[in-house]
Amino acid sequence: AQSVTQLGSHVSVSEGALVLLRCNYSSSVPPYLFWYVQYPNQGLQLLLKYTTGATLVKGINGFEAEFKKSETSFHLTKPSAHMSDAAEYFCAATMEYGNKLVFGAGTILRVKS
Amino acid sequence: GAGVSQTPSNKVTEKGKYVELRCDPISGHTALYWYRQSLGQGPEFLIYFQGTGAADDSGLPNDRFFAVRPEGSVSTLKIQRTERGDSAVYLCASSPSPAMNTEAFFGQGTRLTVV
Repeated sequence: AQSVTQLGSHVSVSEGALVLLRCNYSSSVPPYLFWYVQYPNQGLQLLLKYTTGATLVKGINGFEAEFKKSETSFHLTKPSAHMSDAAEYFCAATMEYGNKLVFGAGTILRVKS
Repeated sequence: GAGVSQTPSNKVTEKGKYVELRCDPISGHTALYWYRQSLGQGPEFLIYFQGTGAADDSGLPNDRFFAVRPEGSVSTLKIQRTERGDSAVYLCASSPSPAMNTEAFFGQGTRLTVV
């Protein structure tokens, strides 16, 4: 069965610093990959997704992620953190028609001023 | 409406009671999903509907859980004989199609507390 692992349940960065949130998947077949963000008291919102084609994908709010098949990774980055980026981030994967998502446990991002 | 709507936003019930959680998907979305998110964990898949039929219910934990979508739009998740372990946020999502590259749009969830 496929699984998604997010390293670090909490990440803290200073405003303006690089954001790096790690995600690894376990699957013999490269899945489609997604990053979702959840702000307090709001629903999950799609940041970006990788399906096919270019392995570096850009999303909303300046985030991007790179699919690396050899490392089975899909890490999320942003060059410069903003206070408004503070939220919980979920990596998710799907490998089958039906689009059933398998989620990681989430990473809470804290941005310090 | 503009997004996926879930009601109620919060539900407190006593152990052993029956509860229903409602999801209004985005109009025209044929695929509808239920997930459960326990504290400190990511969402876990429960069931997926394509139209009116449950295409995959492999995530339902036991036979106390049941979901319907009789007209292919609104869905209701039903939990019988609730247990304290059922306490979680129940998320609903909808998608224009079940294809793997389509985005799932999530509601804000129903927080269920069983006391």
